[in-house]
Amino acid sequence: DIQLTQSPPFLSASVGDRVTITCRASQGISSFLAWYQQKPGKAPKALIYVATVLQSGVPSRFSGSGSGTEFTLTINSLQPEDCATYFCQQFNSFPLTFGGGTKVEIK
Amino acid sequence: QVQLVESEGGVVQPGRSLRLSCEASGFSFSSYGMHWVRQTPGKGLEWVAVIWYDGSNIDYADSVKGRFTISRDNSRNTVFLQMNNMRAEDTAVYYCARGNGLSRYWFDFWGQGTLVTVSS
Repeated sequence: DIQLTQSPPFLSASVGDRVTITCRASQGISSFLAWYQQKPGKAPKALIYVATVLQSGVPSRFSGSGSGTEFTLTINSLQPEDCATYFCQQFNSFPLTFGGGTKVEIK
Repeated sequence: QVQLVESEGGVVQPGRSLRLSCEASGFSFSSYGMHWVRQTPGKGLEWVAVIWYDGSNIDYADSVKGRFTISRDNSRNTVFLQMNNMRAEDTAVYYCARGNGLSRYWFDFWGQGTLVTVSS
């Protein structure tokens, strides 16, 4: 199985800050990576797929980069509504797997 | 708009069974692979099962293989998860999710989730 390791597990930042979350895969997954945002009590919401493509309706302050084994999710100019937990997911091979999550808090 | 609505979960005793359903609307259901994903505070998000758009391919996480069965009825726009011989570690919020892709799937839409508790 492909393991995904996210870092940091928790971060606290101010409104307007640039925030970066990293997801490392235990083996190469090309660009078959997606990012999700989850708010408490809600289902995950897709933000980015194939590592860099913004899902329809997602604000442009979100961006993704990377390929192979290292990926990043960047939030430019953090907004209060971005307070959530973010997960990465690989879809290179079954079983599909998720990272452990990064909880983003507003200072 | 795309909607996925899971049936109510509930409390089930260890060793017993429960069937979840997920009714889809707002898209051509028979054109998409469908998945079940579960979430626990301790283990995070865990993919459970997939069924191809036409039911021709099915796969499971090792943790549920031999106990859970995924199926679909394209005439009713519904996907099912039959859970047998349930264990305490199956306690989770279960989501159905639409798979985007031909054979490599990410999840573009999710249901609201349903809580399943396995306890005596």
